[in-house]
Amino acid sequence: ETGVTQSPTHLIKTRGQQVTLRCSSQSGHNTVSWYQQALGQGPQFIFQYYREEENGRGNFPPRFSGLQFPNYSSELNVNALELDDSALYLCASSFTVANTGELFFGEGSRLTVL
Amino acid sequence: AQSVSQHNHHVILSEAASLELGCNYSYGGTVNLFWYVQYPGQHLQLLLKYFSGDPLVKGIKGFEAEFIKSKFSFNLRKPSVQWSDTAEYFCAVNAGNTPLVFGKGTRLSVIA
Repeated sequence: ETGVTQSPTHLIKTRGQQVTLRCSSQSGHNTVSWYQQALGQGPQFIFQYYREEENGRGNFPPRFSGLQFPNYSSELNVNALELDDSALYLCASSFTVANTGELFFGEGSRLTVL
Repeated sequence: AQSVSQHNHHVILSEAASLELGCNYSYGGTVNLFWYVQYPGQHLQLLLKYFSGDPLVKGIKGFEAEFIKSKFSFNLRKPSVQWSDTAEYFCAVNAGNTPLVFGKGTRLSVIA
């Protein structure tokens, strides 16, 4: 167990809908990163949050947005869902924003877009 | 930008066989290198990491990896695999403060 929890574990949406995924980071960790893992691919970096501010973003459109709360938990929001958004969404926390430390991953939220 | 190539999509080995999974990265500067493992039904977890120093890095469960700078490689090895090593293995790289860039992963199946 990493202490990183994600919800929901599975969900099904239709094209055009919006989705919110949630993540509670491991105790003592102030940095949260979100990754998208499509089938047969490795995790791809979406963005990172540190002290409630976005601290780096991958090659994802603005309809992917996020929040980090004072307790360091985080949300990933995706608007106007497309079929290609179907994937496993992983949250990872770390105790340093420096990206040189170990990432602690949750088990992911599997999103299916029909 | 960094990128990672993992040569094998799926590797099937018998128990006690030796394992080597290939990983090559593209980036000309100083890098940090990682191997993560995902056991069936579990979360991704760190197997081992290299930041600097001895290029031969030892991780958990008898795994090791060797950083060969001239070949831009960070191959994962284990002398004798067990059935419990069945999992998906991901190589990852970052440079300085950049996010981790993962390879596509190699699925390892160990058969009795």
